[in-house]
Amino acid sequence: KNQVEQSPQSLIILEGKNCTLQCNYTVSPFSNLRWYKQDTGRGPVSLTIMTFSENTKSNGRYTATLDADTKQSSLHITASQLSDSASYICVVSSGAGSYQLTFGKGTKLSVIP
Amino acid sequence: NAGVTQTPKFQVLKTGQSMTLQCAQDMNHEYMSWYRQDPGMGLRLIHYSVGAGITDQGEVPNGYNVSRSTTEDFPLRLLSAAPSQTSVYFCASRTPTEGYTFGSGTRLTVV
Repeated sequence: KNQVEQSPQSLIILEGKNCTLQCNYTVSPFSNLRWYKQDTGRGPVSLTIMTFSENTKSNGRYTATLDADTKQSSLHITASQLSDSASYICVVSSGAGSYQLTFGKGTKLSVIP
Repeated sequence: NAGVTQTPKFQVLKTGQSMTLQCAQDMNHEYMSWYRQDPGMGLRLIHYSVGAGITDQGEVPNGYNVSRSTTEDFPLRLLSAAPSQTSVYFCASRTPTEGYTFGSGTRLTVV
């Protein structure tokens, strides 16, 4: 069964600090991996997408890495801001047309002043 | 360009009632899908559609119906609401290259 495990479940950091969120997956066949940010009461919004051949992808202060050999991904947030408080969801696509998605449960990040 | 629009944002139903959650997109995406999000769980796929007139079941389809008469609209129908269907429902559309665009969600409570 395809699975996506995220850690930690929740995280509290001080404003301005860096943090790293982890995603381990057992999805086959692998098509791509996305990180989403979900603010409270809103739908998920895509941050990055990586295919098998990509190791790193950045979007402003967000940097995602992918190790396809170990089936691990991380999302690094630099110089956190209060607006980074949200849930971050790792999603792995598989199958023809990449329509089959497996969602992680998310990491709830709280940035405090 | 409004993206994916879901209505209503909040709804309370009594057990046994039926209702339709609306979803519309203005991006001309062929693929649309419905998910439910429950506390402590990842989003789970209810139904999806790869184009007008074509729908298929996802991971948790029981108790829900969908139809896709136009590219723009993909309504989700609850036939006879049950407390187990209390959840937040998200509609999404996508293209193979652009990824998914999610609506802002419908929070449904069944009492």
